Amino acid sequence: GENVEQHPSTLSVQEGDSAVIKCTYSDSASNYFPWYKQELGKRPQLIIDIRSNVGEKKDQRIAVTLNKTAKHFSLHITETQPEDSAVYFCAASREDSSYKLIFGSGTRLLVRP
Amino acid sequence: DAGVIQSPRHEVTEMGQEVTLRCKPISGHDYLFWYRQTMMRGLELLIYFNNNVPIDDSGMPEDRFSAKMPNASFSTLKIQPSEPRDSAVYFCASSLVGQAAQHFGDGTRLSIL
Repeated sequence: GENVEQHPSTLSVQEGDSAVIKCTYSDSASNYFPWYKQELGKRPQLIIDIRSNVGEKKDQRIAVTLNKTAKHFSLHITETQPEDSAVYFCAASREDSSYKLIFGSGTRLLVRP
Repeated sequence: DAGVIQSPRHEVTEMGQEVTLRCKPISGHDYLFWYRQTMMRGLELLIYFNNNVPIDDSGMPEDRFSAKMPNASFSTLKIQPSEPRDSAVYFCASSLVGQAAQHFGDGTRLSIL
């Protein structure tokens, strides 16, 4: 069935360094890939997304890349700050049919001051 | 926009009791999703609706769980009878047709004693 694998499960970086989180999806028909940030005790919030007709998208310090051939996509955070500490979830969906999001297992990012 | 509204925010009850969680999606959104989040199992999709009709309930764990959407602005998730293993945070999310981006409510933290 549909599956999204996410790595690493935990990531600790020094403030100012970059962080990269990687996801692999199984459904080749997936065409929409959002990333959610969840702070402790809060709801998941959409931070960036990419569609399959685009290879890369940037929004200030965050960027997402997509490799459709390899069926993987990544989140890149540059110049990390302590407030970036949270759990990050990737997801995949068929935006033109089911709209169901298949979530990865999450990455706990800790940015050390 | 008020966003997705869930109630109650916290619920503590004894096993065997009936629990009802409520959700009001963002006005105009056509899709509504119910998720359960635990440390062990991550973010699990329980059921989702399109235009008030259940589309996929394959994630509902067992017959003790039921969900309804009597109109476009209200949905309930009911557990009867509740068990300690049902303790989790339950999120509701909604999205607009043509866009797979889901917007989450603040969740209900459920504790079954």
